[in-house]
Amino acid sequence: DTEVTQTPKHLVMGMTNKKSLKCEQHMGHRAMYWYKQKAKKPPELMFVYSYEKLSINESVPSRFSPECPNSSLLNLHLHALQPEDSALYLCASSQVVGGGLDEQYFGPGTRLTVT
Amino acid sequence: QQQVKQSPQSLIVQKGGISIINCAYENTAFDYFPWYQQFPGKGPALLIAIRPDVSEKKEGRFTISFNKSAKQFSLHIMDSQPGDSATYFCAASFYNQGGKLIFGQGTELSVKP
Repeated sequence: DTEVTQTPKHLVMGMTNKKSLKCEQHMGHRAMYWYKQKAKKPPELMFVYSYEKLSINESVPSRFSPECPNSSLLNLHLHALQPEDSALYLCASSQVVGGGLDEQYFGPGTRLTVT
Repeated sequence: QQQVKQSPQSLIVQKGGISIINCAYENTAFDYFPWYQQFPGKGPALLIAIRPDVSEKKEGRFTISFNKSAKQFSLHIMDSQPGDSATYFCAASFYNQGGKLIFGQGTELSVKP
């Protein structure tokens, strides 16, 4: 089973709202990722967690705040977003980071619209 | 040097034909090359991947060809079907990159019945 689940599927939020995206995997993977994808573009890496510790932050604005409460869960907290942050937010997981066990499996994404 | 260049941007193929998508890279440290398939409104799905110790890998109708000296790799879809119509992304990464995949810009494939 290579399933990564994400909730909600769709989210509309105002620029002053606070919301959270949730990602879950039960494959025993120890690396989890957040990506942002704009229409007709490839996914752009935002954050990497390895063994529940943040290992990569791709200079993402502080209005995006990741959290990894345990090895199966990954959250992305959103606050004071801008309309240009509207995108598909993808979560992915892999067994570990690098080392030949790094096949990344993506979830279906959360379609975020900021009004 | 971190770029992966993908071509063509879009591709139209007749049902039963062969679809070929190419990618080129500069960084010789890359050691993992996956291909992802993405349908509209869905997340990318890992299709097939190769490491540089082999020159070809086949899974069903999908084949990756890898040319280490030319720093190129390609995806071949044999007997293309309308259900293969999707966007395909190549990517590359290497061991010390902390899991970061460098994606190509994508190819929108349309298979006509």
